[in-house]
Amino acid sequence: DIVMTQTPLSLPVRPGESASISCRSSQSLFKRDDAHTYVDWYVQKPGQSPHLLIYTLSSRASGVPDRFSGSGSGATFTLKISRVQAEDVGTYYCMQHAEFPFTFGQGTRLEIK
Amino acid sequence: EENLAETGGGFIQPGGSLSLSCAATDFIVSAHSMTWVRQAPGRGLEWVAILYDGGATYYADSVKGRFAISRDKSKNTLYLQMNDLRAEDTALYYCARVNVKLYGPLDLWGHGSLVTVSS
Repeated sequence: DIVMTQTPLSLPVRPGESASISCRSSQSLFKRDDAHTYVDWYVQKPGQSPHLLIYTLSSRASGVPDRFSGSGSGATFTLKISRVQAEDVGTYYCMQHAEFPFTFGQGTRLEIK
Repeated sequence: EENLAETGGGFIQPGGSLSLSCAATDFIVSAHSMTWVRQAPGRGLEWVAILYDGGATYYADSVKGRFAISRDKSKNTLYLQMNDLRAEDTALYYCARVNVKLYGPLDLWGHGSLVTVSS
């Protein structure tokens, strides 16, 4: 199984500052046949279901502010949140769907200082 | 508005069976690939099973042979039949839509249905 490792697991951030979450996979998530990297980012706000932020490495889901961006390549990925706001509090997960079983990172809990 | 609503969770003894339903609103389940993801209390997300629009299914090793994912076109509903339940299956079960046009992210999630397996 592909192991997804997120760091840090806890991320205190002041409002207005930027935050970065790293995700590493145990093997490359890049597929040559379609030139896409099969990693997504999700956020689960307190008491809510997860929802999609970023798909295939760097594409923002519908309605997601441009403060959120995904980057990386191969097996190393980053979610960056610019100008963090109080509403960004929650747990952020990376997920790979390059091969079965799909696997998630452990989650990174973002809190406001 | 597109929506997913899970039902069928509850309290069940080890070895028992339970069936979860996921009713879709404003889109056709059989025209999409659909998946189940679970979250044990206080834990992270774990993928469980997927049903592609073409009918293929795949499962996590932890549930293979015990769980079955299916759909009913007439009811526009996705199902997860869970047999031989174990304490470690205790979790909030989410159904989610797989957007294959966007190369497979889970772009719509339900609110979840809680399954508790305990004696």
